Amino acid sequence: SYELTQPPSVSVSPGQTARITCSGDALPKQYAYWYQQKPGQAPVLVIYKDSERPSGIPERFSGSSSGTTVTLTISGVQAEDEADYYCQSADSSGTYGVFGGGTKLTVL
Amino acid sequence: QVQLVQSGAEVKKPGASVKVSCKASGYTFTSYYMHWVRQAPGQGLEWMGIINPSGGSTSYAQKFQGRVTMTRDTSTSTVYMELSSLRSEDTAVYYCARARDYSSSWGLGYWGQGTLVTVSS
Repeated sequence: SYELTQPPSVSVSPGQTARITCSGDALPKQYAYWYQQKPGQAPVLVIYKDSERPSGIPERFSGSSSGTTVTLTISGVQAEDEADYYCQSADSSGTYGVFGGGTKLTVL
Repeated sequence: QVQLVQSGAEVKKPGASVKVSCKASGYTFTSYYMHWVRQAPGQGLEWMGIINPSGGSTSYAQKFQGRVTMTRDTSTSTVYMELSSLRSEDTAVYYCARARDYSSSWGLGYWGQGTLVTVSS
């Protein structure tokens, strides 16, 4: 079955830039989506269609795509950004969804 | 405003079935795809399947095919997820989530509060 691969953890100091990658063979064909999840809460969509930001999401969140890898970038990381981040996409047919394993962002 | 309100926590024995509901409000129910996602304790998100509330068509993750059934009731704007032959590994929080855009089935922009299903003898 189709898989998306994320690093288990990323650590940055406040004010620095965090980059979280997600790799998958179908990413050149299918959009990627990014979700932020804090403990005990439902996920929140922070990036859709590779690089679009929903209203209400701070401008420091951005997304990009290159080949089989997509990247979530958080510029000027704040303490409140500490959370788990998941990429999500679909298989090459667009029929079946898949989540990456998640990346725990730690703000030092 | 868009709201997805799920049914309450459930405790089930192995081998039993569970049916979780998700009542939608604040938008045209039949215009947006709905997904089900689960999260086992301390684990990541797992996509289970999708339903088109308009016609009722579904697609299920291969892992759950044969055990999961997703349905909808347009008269009450409610979607349901039933999982059968429960085992301890099915203990998880189950979420319904609505697609952000009517033009795409993906991008889960609105989430229910989650329903904890515990499978224990």
